[in-house]
Amino acid sequence: AQKITQTQPGMFVQEKEAVTLDCTYDTSDPSYGLFWYKQPSSGEMIFLIYQGSYDQQNATEGRYSLNFQKARKSANLVISASQLGDSAMYFCAMRERTGANSKLTFGKGITLSVRP
Amino acid sequence: ETGVTQTPRHLVMGMTNKKSLKCEQHLGHNAMYWYKQSAKKPLELMFVYNFKEQTENNSVPSRFSPECPNSSHLFLHLHTLQPEDSALYLCASSQEAEIYEQYFGPGTRLTVT
Repeated sequence: AQKITQTQPGMFVQEKEAVTLDCTYDTSDPSYGLFWYKQPSSGEMIFLIYQGSYDQQNATEGRYSLNFQKARKSANLVISASQLGDSAMYFCAMRERTGANSKLTFGKGITLSVRP
Repeated sequence: ETGVTQTPRHLVMGMTNKKSLKCEQHLGHNAMYWYKQSAKKPLELMFVYNFKEQTENNSVPSRFSPECPNSSHLFLHLHTLQPEDSALYLCASSQEAEIYEQYFGPGTRLTVT
């Protein structure tokens, strides 16, 4: 089974509107972490936001917030007030423990296009 | 100086060539990573170094050889590559291995002819 699932096709959003990018995950580790990264066309992966499995509140970072639904094993990224510069690939990733170490697994990503 | 730099940004090499990719981080981190990103596939972790020691080799073919002389520098030595090795190679660093968020470089776009 896939550890991280991002199934949305290319997403489109109008500038200044909000958009939700979906991510579901699968793990048996009770102590895990969830990350979202943005990859613009330049190639660089940019860290956006982090949610720990024991965090009581949903993470927020500026215009980014994470809709964490633990029972559903989903960690959707919400981008408010979209900007043209938000057009990029977005990757969800999960850190889980593997024995004495931790492992970070990425999803396949979602393409977001912001329309003017 | 940006956090994580990679050189070269683009590389075209023949299957018999030997080349090296370089990564440097200026963030004072202790862990560094190599990832491979192929079209329409998830990011694949290749190697992890924590405090200069290799802690993970994700079944990478021996034609890829990493080197980490210190916590700030990471190399990926390439030899006798195959066309399917063409991809974007991303370097990343973090405070410690796979616990904290990772910061990525811009990547090296590799084409093997």
